[in-house]
Formats: sequence, structure tokens, C-alpha cells
Amino acid sequence: SQELEQSPQSLIVQEGKNLTINCTSSKTLYGLYWYKQKYGEGLIFLMMLQKGGEEKSHEKITAKLDEKKQQSSLHITASQPSHAGIYLCGAVMNRDDKIIFGKGTRLHILP
Amino acid sequence: NAGVTQTPKFQVLKTGQSMTLQCAQDMNHEYMSWYRQDPGMGLRLIHYSVGAGITDQGEVPNGYNVSRSTTEDFPLRLLSAAPSQTSVYFCASSYQWRGGEAFFGQGTRLTVV
Repeated sequence: SQELEQSPQSLIVQEGKNLTINCTSSKTLYGLYWYKQKYGEGLIFLMMLQKGGEEKSHEKITAKLDEKKQQSSLHITASQPSHAGIYLCGAVMNRDDKIIFGKGTRLHILP
Repeated sequence: NAGVTQTPKFQVLKTGQSMTLQCAQDMNHEYMSWYRQDPGMGLRLIHYSVGAGITDQGEVPNGYNVSRSTTEDFPLRLLSAAPSQTSVYFCASSYQWRGGEAFFGQGTRLTVV
């Protein structure tokens, strides 16, 4: 959805480097989801953020939701080949009950 | 626990044919939805349901019908398949949209020739 913008569209990083993926909305987010998808496979849930300023971590992946609840970032520390895939942010906007997704970020890790 | 089960995994249709993509979940989730994924487009919401007997349109509903007669099942019907409907289709369910993660099926890869 164009209501939810992800950047960059594609990212190539050297193994061991850090990287950040952003997800931006023009509307207040009532829930923000991060998913990972291996090429040709289903989606794996990473994290959900709901409160302004909230930050969650899982292994080497950290996600934050800004205070205004309109932007989220996903940060990977010391990237590994297993991090390669498509990262998708999904969101519930306003008081709507639909979950819509951004276009995704394709992450490639170079050995 | 099976989670979200989609069938079939692969399907080839001829233009004009109709078919139903099946989606079933065994987690007693109220919220279910269908998405399609096309290259460079991310996931686009087709239809969704917040409970049995309640459905609503998403971003790209044209050419698709849904119904929700039970909590467990949420089939997606293609009325008259078109090449533009060639895509990978994902079904998802969650306890409630605000309550936690949405669980996704493994997808159905549909080709319309």
C-alpha cells in the first residue's frame, strides 16, 4: 500500500555490517508489524509495536516505533547470510481493522 | 497445531475458469484475511473478515469473492480468472487485529494462462 512506505526497496550489505530499514506512514499507526519472508516462502513474524517510543529486540534485530507513531525502523546488527530475505512492515492505521503492508525491502547479504 | 492451512499450493487456470482457494485455521481466530503478492508490490489486501458472517473489501477486491460461514474457514473465490490474477496468494489469521501477530499460510501460487 502507498499509505505505508518502506525504504530502501533493496539493500545489499557485506556480511557483518549493520543495516536499517524504515517504514513510514502519513497516518498514526495503531499497530506496526515486522515480518520476514524467505524467497518463495511464507511470512515469519518478527515483532509487533504498539506504543510510541516502543523498542523491541530479538537476537540481532531491533525494531523501534517513534513517539508520533508514524515511523518505524528495523535495525540488524552484524548481519549474517541467514538475515537475507524480504522484510515487510504491516500496520493498522487509525481505528481501522485492516492490516496493510508496505512493498517490502529485499535484503541481500554478501559473504 | 496446524496453524493456517492453504490449499492448493500450486494451481494453473485457463482464462475464464473459476476456482476456490481454501484457507483454514485451527486457532479459533476471529480475524482472517487474504492478500496477494506480486513482484515489487508487497502484500495487497483483497478481502478480510472480523468474524463469522462478516466480510469486507480490502485494497484490491475486484474479481474475488469471499464468505465466512464458520470461524475456521475463509475461502477465496475467483469468479472468472484473468491473467492479471496470476500471483501468490496468502491467507492470514489473528486473534484480533490489535492483539498480536498475524499467522500466515504458506501461500498458493496461481498462474492464469
